[in-house]
Amino acid sequence: QQQVKQSPQSLIVQKGGISIINCAYENTAFDYFPWYQQFPGKGPALLIAIRPDVSEKKEGRFTISFNKSAKQFSLHIMDSQPGDSATYFCAAIITGNQFYFGTGTSLTVIP
Amino acid sequence: GAVVSQHPSRVICKSGTSVKIECRSLDFQATTMFWYRQFPKQSLMLMATSNEGSKATYEQGVEKDKFLINHASLTLSTLTVTSAHPEDSSFYICSARDPNRRGHYGYTFGSGTRLTVV
Repeated sequence: QQQVKQSPQSLIVQKGGISIINCAYENTAFDYFPWYQQFPGKGPALLIAIRPDVSEKKEGRFTISFNKSAKQFSLHIMDSQPGDSATYFCAAIITGNQFYFGTGTSLTVIP
Repeated sequence: GAVVSQHPSRVICKSGTSVKIECRSLDFQATTMFWYRQFPKQSLMLMATSNEGSKATYEQGVEKDKFLINHASLTLSTLTVTSAHPEDSSFYICSARDPNRRGHYGYTFGSGTRLTVV
């Protein structure tokens, strides 16, 4: 059973555009929702995270929007750059327990 | 910040041999470490969870006799792929949990090991 559902599977965006990746969950016990960026041959690196009592968090060009009632959250990458081309994973955590990763989104930003 | 060192980053071995992958937490004591496997263009799949000083807990479908996990100290966990076969070729990633940090901050990932069995 996939605890965290992620879409789209792949995304192509023009340089300067907005990349949007969506995730949904069911378990209301999750208390942290991080996003990870992974480049080929590397481990995942924490990008940004949000708690369910916050509706939006922004760090530079990266923004998480969180809709608690809909059990959905999304990552927005503003002014997307070719260097942002990577695979992005959303995740959900119950503190003290394991991660539940989404299925991943391969982002390609074309110049 | 918390750092997890994973070695080797790449390894090629012959079919039938065993390979050991190390995962070290450099600046914190990791009470729990996780081992993941990742196939190309797929998500991370949890293989097992290990707590220092006790036996690892394996996820359903993961052969414990094939993937030996040892968490002998609070800073070191090892994954040994025994009698490796080409189908074991994959990207293996460890994660270490710092119990003194909350939420996602408590989890740090290694840089991964690309295993190729020929």
